[in-house]
Amino acid sequence: EVQVLESGGGLMQPGGSLRLSCVASGFTFKNYAMSWVRQAPGKGLQWVSGLSGSGVSTYYADSVKGRFTISRDNSKNTVFLQMNSLRVDDTAVYYCAKQRTGLVETPIDIWGQGTLVTVAS
Amino acid sequence: SYVLIQPPSLSVAPGKTASLTCGGNNIGSKSVQWNQQRPGQAPAVVIYYDSDRPSGVPERFSGSNSGNTATLTISRVEAGDEADYYCQVWDSSSSHWFFGGGTKLTVL
Repeated sequence: EVQVLESGGGLMQPGGSLRLSCVASGFTFKNYAMSWVRQAPGKGLQWVSGLSGSGVSTYYADSVKGRFTISRDNSKNTVFLQMNSLRVDDTAVYYCAKQRTGLVETPIDIWGQGTLVTVAS
Repeated sequence: SYVLIQPPSLSVAPGKTASLTCGGNNIGSKSVQWNQQRPGQAPAVVIYYDSDRPSGVPERFSGSNSGNTATLTISRVEAGDEADYYCQVWDSSSSHWFFGGGTKLTVL
């Protein structure tokens, strides 16, 4: 079964750092781009970042550029989201998503269950 | 930035047809994905590449895209279709994915 599973969420203070992980299974991980999408409480979906299957191409939403870094370890079937300088408005459920090809611009086909990040003092 | 406009809510009776719209500047030139999010659950894809259905999604779900409006059509609506629906497009000029604000579909 193709699936992705996020972990690493928690309660952080403003200005802190957190690293999310997403472990993939059921497919050849290195062949597929991956993205992170978040959803603030009671709000809609917001794309955060994407990374090509090769790991060469990275993309970021303007709201996180310079603070968040996406990366992957294809030997461990894992994609990461390093979040620095966290702000209260980063509070959200963060979903990991697999794309249909190695390119970030192709549609998502699999969503994870999400991990909650809360930023509060 | 590319803006996608979705009506916040839509109500439909069981057995009827629901048409959910997603408006964007020349959206017909882009490829649209539709995601369904039932209460308390993660999103799931119901339509991609404007009108393709993933395996397991009922044929009652269909999509179209032309001009400035993309449409998700759900025929013979069932209680289990009650969910939030989000359209999604890739904007090549900014290399960003954008989501619409979502439409909450209520089955009466």
